[in-house]
Amino acid sequence: DIQMTQSPSSLSASVGDRVTITCRASQGISNYLNWYQQIPGKAPRLLIYTASTLQSGVPSRFRGSGSGTDFTLTISSLQPEDFATYYCQQSYSQTFGQGTKVEI
Amino acid sequence: QITLKESGPTLVKPTQTLTLTCTFSGFSLRNIGVGVGWIRQPPGKAPEWLAVIYWDDDKRYSPSLKSRLTVTKDASKNQVALRMTNMDPVDTATYYCAHRRVTTAGRRDAFDIWGQGTMVTVSS
Repeated sequence: DIQMTQSPSSLSASVGDRVTITCRASQGISNYLNWYQQIPGKAPRLLIYTASTLQSGVPSRFRGSGSGTDFTLTISSLQPEDFATYYCQQSYSQTFGQGTKVEI
Repeated sequence: QITLKESGPTLVKPTQTLTLTCTFSGFSLRNIGVGVGWIRQPPGKAPEWLAVIYWDDDKRYSPSLKSRLTVTKDASKNQVALRMTNMDPVDTATYYCAHRRVTTAGRRDAFDIWGQGTMVTVSS
């Protein structure tokens, strides 16, 4: 099975900071990588699919990149509503990463 | 506007069978390119994909849970059901259904719209 490893598992940041989260697949997955945001008590929300395509309605401060085994989610200027947990998911066999909690 | 809502028991006993229903609106499982998936999330842990069913009745399951899962659809009622046998306390989780629009070869698309989830506790 394809394993997804996110880093860091948590980070502290301030409003306005640039934040980068990485996700590494245990084998190549082309660009079949999605990013989700989850606020406590809510369902995950799709942010980015196929590694770099912004889902409709998602602010442009979110950017995804990567291909093969290494992927990155970047938030260019952190906003108060962005404090949440972020998950990557590969679409080959659907496994999720363990999550990255973005805290103040 | 696409919406999905999960329903079913909130408490099941060990060894029992869980059946959840996803009732959706804003799309039809009779339309080409549409799928509905099930994902669960234990408290404080990452989501785990369980199953997906497509408009053409193609069904796919998590390899680790395949023997316990059955997914079915009733397109006329806009519903998808998930059946999980032999429930155990480790199956305690919030269970979500989610919409998938097929655009890629191999049906490797994201789940773009999720239901609110339903918490299921397994305990005697």
